[in-house]
Amino acid sequence: KAGVTQTPRYLIKTRGQQVTLSCSPISGHRSVSWYQQTPGQGLQFLFEYFSETQRNKGNFPGRFSGRQFSNSRSEMNVSTLELGDSALYLCASSQTTDAYYGYTFGSGTRLTVV
Amino acid sequence: DQQVKQNSPSLSVQEGRISILNCDYTNSMFDYFLWYKKYPAEGPTFLISISSIKDKNEDGRFTVFLNKSAKHLSLHIVPSQPGDSAVYFCAASARNRDDKIIFGKGTRLHILP
Repeated sequence: KAGVTQTPRYLIKTRGQQVTLSCSPISGHRSVSWYQQTPGQGLQFLFEYFSETQRNKGNFPGRFSGRQFSNSRSEMNVSTLELGDSALYLCASSQTTDAYYGYTFGSGTRLTVV
Repeated sequence: DQQVKQNSPSLSVQEGRISILNCDYTNSMFDYFLWYKKYPAEGPTFLISISSIKDKNEDGRFTVFLNKSAKHLSLHIVPSQPGDSAVYFCAASARNRDDKIIFGKGTRLHILP
């Protein structure tokens, strides 16, 4: 069974640009969550989507947005990139919104802003 | 405000001995807790969870203990193996509230030969 696929794996962007990251969840999983991992802050919750609807949003500025498509694939977009946006962006999927039995994470997209 | 705290950034344990990773939380509304393990260049992998109505959950070499009065949980790994060297994240969620998963900053575990 294919895991959670995130593309691209690595990305280098210039300050001020925008970027779109993609996440394909495990087949049958309808919940997709996004996290930002930085060395100083650990994993910070960005947002969660279920059946194309945003259920939850973390404390990130409006430059961070996302969406989910009818096939459960999700994208997140960061506009007007800042140096501090350099991080590993992780996507996780689950069958339901109950994470008690664990999310399955992808390997992440490493974004570097220069 | 950090609701889930892992106060030890790193821990070294001899192979074969017990590894104990600790986690404290501040939000009494959390009703379940999870542990994830992460290797470099990979996403976190779910290890074990515990409901707030329990004080212990065991899965093979991994046992999680929950002390609600102290708002503290710990992950015990017995015996520790070289493949256990990784970063361990504690996480918590309040079901039916905003129920997003809040992660700690992680503890890097080194298993020494």
